[in-house]
This record gives sequence, C-alpha cells and structure tokens, in this order.
Amino acid sequence: GIQVEQSPPDLILQEGANSTLRCNFSDSVNNLQWFHQNPWGQLINLFYIPSGTKQNGRLSATTVATERYSLLYISSSQTTDSGVYFCAVDDFGNEKLTFGTGTRLTIIP
Amino acid sequence: GAVVSQHPSWVICKSGTSVKIECRSLDFQATTMFWYRQFPKQSLMLMATSNEGSKATYEQGVEKDKFLINHASLTLSTLTVTSAHPEDSSFYICSAGSGVGVRETQYFGPGTRLLVL
Repeated sequence: GIQVEQSPPDLILQEGANSTLRCNFSDSVNNLQWFHQNPWGQLINLFYIPSGTKQNGRLSATTVATERYSLLYISSSQTTDSGVYFCAVDDFGNEKLTFGTGTRLTIIP
Repeated sequence: GAVVSQHPSWVICKSGTSVKIECRSLDFQATTMFWYRQFPKQSLMLMATSNEGSKATYEQGVEKDKFLINHASLTLSTLTVTSAHPEDSSFYICSAGSGVGVRETQYFGPGTRLLVL
C-alpha cells in the first residue's frame, strides 16, 4: 500500500515563530487532507488539498502532486496550535485514507 | 456543518464484557463511515469501512467477529468490541463522508477512549 511519511516527527517552537511541516507519499493520490489533532484527541480538518495551494488565516498548504509531497505552513504560532498534525491520502482506486506518521508540534509561551 | 458525534467519549470495562460505541453524523447523511484505532503516540489505523445497508469491509488483521460494525442508517454506525481484553484498550475514532468513499472530505468524531481492566 501507499506509504506516507511526515517530517519532522517533533517540533518545539517559541510562540510567534513560523514552521513548515512536510508530508511525502509514495504513489499518486486522489485525495490529500491535513488534520490537527488537539490534546483531547479531536481531529480537526485543516485542508482538503490534492493539488495546488490554499490558505486559511495563519495556515497555508501546498501540494505538488507530481513530486509527491505536501507542505503545511503555520505562521505566527500560538500555544493553541500545539498538537499533532497529520496528513492523510488515498490513492486512486483505493477509497480509504492512509494517515501519515504525524508531526508533534509544541508551542512554548 | 459536517458534525460527527461519538458516544460514549470514554468507557472503562472489565475484561470479557462487550462495549458498543455509536457514531452519528448530525447534519448530513453519511453513505460511508470509517472506524479507526489509535494507540498512544501513534498514527490512526483504519479498522473497517462501513457502508449503509451492507456488510462492513475490514482491514487485514482486524478480527471481524471481535469488532462488530453495523451501519443501520445514513446517520448512525456502531462498533461493538466483543469480549474486550486489555489489549483492546485504545482510542477509537469514527469518520463520515457524504460522498463515495473518500471522494469528499472526511469529518471525524471526537473519539472514544476504551480502557479494559
């Protein structure tokens, strides 16, 4: 099956800093989503982005499908941004999401 | 919009008992629901895909007789962990999509923490 790797695995930043999270996948994908899992376990949809670039406030994401990677940018980090960020993909013909390994982000006041 | 609820949010039970977890799409109809399991500090692993009115499709390595899934309506899917044992302790999360499979965005419930003593 498709492999999804995220980097870095852990990231500790001061409040106000910017960060870039990366998601690499091993095959062509039909769907790519970014999620934030908060400390209580709730998964929050950030972006549905199989290709191109999207922005939502301090967050933006870019997926380069031909090179099989996606980036999530977080600017001016806040403590509420802490948690685990997952990307998830489904490959063509396989209608289910495969989750990446996750990036644990900790924002220090 | 696109809210998914789960009940209960946490449960503690004795080894050997069965536990039922409900997953509801509150403001949309979900033709497909998915059940995931997440162990501490690990990623989400898909257990099964639940389609309304038909049998669930289980992932390799998931015991279908142990994890019973019923998708009786377009807004409700249930997962029953039968004869639970301590190794079944985990965080169980459901998701729902209104399209075909994952052709549209999946929305996730808040999860159910199961502790089997």
